[in-house]
Amino acid sequence: GAVVSQHPSRVICKSGTSVKIECRSLDFQATTMFWYRQFPKQSLMLMATSNEGSKATYEQGVEKDKFLINHASLTLSTLTVTSAHPEDSSFYICSARGSILTDTQYFGPGTRLTVL
Amino acid sequence: GQQLNQSPQSMFIQEGEDVSMNCTSSSIFNTWLWYKQDPGEGPVLLIALYKAGELTSNGRLTAQFGITRKDSFLNISASIPSDVGIYFCAGLNSGGSNYKLTFGKGTLLTVNP
Repeated sequence: GAVVSQHPSRVICKSGTSVKIECRSLDFQATTMFWYRQFPKQSLMLMATSNEGSKATYEQGVEKDKFLINHASLTLSTLTVTSAHPEDSSFYICSARGSILTDTQYFGPGTRLTVL
Repeated sequence: GQQLNQSPQSMFIQEGEDVSMNCTSSSIFNTWLWYKQDPGEGPVLLIALYKAGELTSNGRLTAQFGITRKDSFLNISASIPSDVGIYFCAGLNSGGSNYKLTFGKGTLLTVNP
């Protein structure tokens, strides 16, 4: 159990366009979902935390208007990178925490974003 | 953000050897987690530790939650080529609205056949 999926797995876009990444918990209801960004050879850095039906909480230094997060249901959260620029190119990973599971996060497979 | 001190940064070992890596923190954590990440993939949970002093095994992996709650180690016995990857420790404090994983910087493991 505890499977989290992400779509797409990789995306290449032009500078200035917006990109939406979906994160789904497949076999459990996720009360909380998290979005991380990982640059090459670095650790995961938390961008924001979202609870179903409420506004996301962003970490310091993360622009909420640039990284739009929607957690409309207990199984789906989306991250939209608006007006993407080359410096936004990164590996974006979501994770989910379910209320009925042990106190751990289960991660999705990640989305590789390349902005040209 | 805050990060844990994870060591070593990288290890090169021969197949069959045992491996040990650890994490330390200046802060107390209620939960310690160990993840493995393969290239281009998300982290996969290996072991979760919930009590100070707890020693938990998962196959060839053994991890312990330090008594002080400020450290944890992961051992891999009889390594095999598929153990290659980046191993991350993560500390967690959860309570009320405060729920946040703090990650170590990772240990890159290379296993030579």
